[in-house]
Amino acid sequence: KAGVTQTPRYLIKTRGQQVTLSCSPISGHRSVSWYQQTPGQGLQFLFEYFSETQRNKGNFPGRFSGRQFSNSRSEMNVSTLELGDSALYLCASSPVPREQQGEQYFGPGTRLTVT
Amino acid sequence: ELKVEQNPLFLSMQEGKNYTIYCNYSTTSDRLYWYRQDPGKSLESLFVLLSNGAVKQEGRLMASLDTKARLSTLHITAAVHDLSATYFCAVDENTGNQFYFGTGTSLTVIP
Repeated sequence: KAGVTQTPRYLIKTRGQQVTLSCSPISGHRSVSWYQQTPGQGLQFLFEYFSETQRNKGNFPGRFSGRQFSNSRSEMNVSTLELGDSALYLCASSPVPREQQGEQYFGPGTRLTVT
Repeated sequence: ELKVEQNPLFLSMQEGKNYTIYCNYSTTSDRLYWYRQDPGKSLESLFVLLSNGAVKQEGRLMASLDTKARLSTLHITAAVHDLSATYFCAVDENTGNQFYFGTGTSLTVIP
């Protein structure tokens, strides 16, 4: 079974631009969660989608948004990029919502650099 | 806001020795997770602990959860170099709405 895939793997953007990251979960998984990892703030939960509905959202500004498609693929969008948005963005998938089962499978991440 | 504290933050240990990493959290939760991250890599799920008193073991690692003390431990037995990595615990609030990671423990096992 193929693992979680994320595209692109690396991205360089300029302040003020917007960016869209993509995550394809393991086949059959309907929950996708997104996380941000930075040296200063560590790992932080962004949001979780299940069956095309956002279930939970972390403490991030509205510039961070996401969606999930009927095939469970998810996209995350960050608008009006700031230098502090430079981070490794991880997505994780699971068959059911995270709080029901717990096990998550992580993708390789997208490293975003904002200049 | 839930706080998740790990200690130590950095751990250097010799091969063959035992040690314990601690994860304390500040709110009611009976779901705790341990992950491993190698440098420049993604997260790998190690353990999912879903009830008070849960204990799970895989190889040289054993994790336990005490929800009354709001404490989880990750015990390393007879460390080997391959265990060198950063270990994170993470906690689900019981509402399921938020998910918080600890600060991470950077483990270096010295031959």
